[in-house]
Amino acid sequence: QTVVTQEPSFSVSPGGTVTLTCGLSSGSVSTSYYPSWYQQTPGQAPRTLIYSTNTRSSGVPDRFSGSILGNKAALTITGAQADDEADYYCVLYMGSGLSWVFGGGTKLTVL
Amino acid sequence: QVQLVESGGGVVQPGRSLRLSCAASGFTFSSYGTHWVRQPPGKGLEWVAVISYDGGNKYYDDSVKGRFTVSRDNSQNTLYLQMNNLRAEDTAVYYCAKSIGYGYSYPIDYWGQGTLVTVYS
Repeated sequence: QTVVTQEPSFSVSPGGTVTLTCGLSSGSVSTSYYPSWYQQTPGQAPRTLIYSTNTRSSGVPDRFSGSILGNKAALTITGAQADDEADYYCVLYMGSGLSWVFGGGTKLTVL
Repeated sequence: QVQLVESGGGVVQPGRSLRLSCAASGFTFSSYGTHWVRQPPGKGLEWVAVISYDGGNKYYDDSVKGRFTVSRDNSQNTLYLQMNNLRAEDTAVYYCAKSIGYGYSYPIDYWGQGTLVTVYS
């Protein structure tokens, strides 16, 4: 069974830049997986940041960007702010019959 | 604006059934696929099911296949999740979520606030 991998935790300084990644236990992530990224703060529903690799969802600031870096999908946050402290999840489309698989999430700390 | 409001959660014993609903507004519901995603307490997001805009295509995670059924009533702008033979590991907040497109291969852009299902004996 294919596992979607994310860093369990990451830390960034206020104003800094951080890149979170989303990979596969076997194989490379490409745009065909429609990688998407979601932000979740405690007690809240997820919020869509990026879908289909690099399309920002409505209202998402351009500090957030998505890309493919090497064999992984990536979410880059530039100029990190205190309220970026959250859990970040990626999801990949595995094809019909297998459909969608979430990564385990990355807990981002801004300090 | 897009709104998705889930209902129907609660406490249920193992082996019993529950039906979740998701009322949609602010967009043309009949033109978009929709997903169910769940989150066990203290854990990450888990994809559960997706249904295409017209209900013609449905896919499920292996963990719920054969027990859960996703459906929709486009005349009522409502999405459903029928959950049978519930297990303790189905305990989670269940979110409905709108796709960016009509089919099952489109990712999510909007989320509801979720409804909690607790399976407990």
